[in-house]
Amino acid sequence: DSGVTQTPKHLITATGQRVTLRCSPRSGDLSVYWYQQSLDQGLQFLIQYYNGEERAKGNILERFSAQQFPDLHSELNLSSLELGDSALYFCASSGQGTNYGYTFGSGTRLTVV
Amino acid sequence: SQKIEQNSEALNIQEGKTATLTCNYTNYSPAYLQWYRQDPGRGPVFLLLIRENEKEKRKERLKVTFDTTLKQSLFHITASQPADSATYLCALTGGGNKLTFGTGTQLKVEL
Repeated sequence: DSGVTQTPKHLITATGQRVTLRCSPRSGDLSVYWYQQSLDQGLQFLIQYYNGEERAKGNILERFSAQQFPDLHSELNLSSLELGDSALYFCASSGQGTNYGYTFGSGTRLTVV
Repeated sequence: SQKIEQNSEALNIQEGKTATLTCNYTNYSPAYLQWYRQDPGRGPVFLLLIRENEKEKRKERLKVTFDTTLKQSLFHITASQPADSATYLCALTGGGNKLTFGTGTQLKVEL
């Protein structure tokens, strides 16, 4: 157990639907990052939150949005889903400073049918 | 444009040998570079971080070098074991605390 909890582990949904992925960071970590990993793309950075505020944005689609709540858990909302959105979605957290790397969760596997 | 390049071909080596993986980057000036291990269907696991002013870092059987002139990092696993078989990712920050990952190199250690 890495300390980063992601739910659900698996999600199957139809095109056009909306889903919410949830992440609880490791205790004490203020930063949360979301990554998408598909077979042909590798790990792609989506968005970062730090203590409730958006800090950095990657190539996140307009159909996707995220937020970090006061208890530091984060949610990634994916809407108007397309077949191409099928991927593994990872959440990671990190503490202050740069001495340590990111701690990743076990991911949510999203399948859009 | 910024690029992080890792050998996309799998690296097959014999048990007991040293595995060496390469990470090259362009248009980055990273303050530090990180290496991760990823097993199929699992999240990446942090292994080592090396700063721009460090030439080499070791942790047990792992060694990382960082050459900011060549814009290259080498990742070594000595006395490799079948359990070391996985995909290894290097990652850099392009600004802020955001990490950008290379596509990874798959390592297979054979008996």
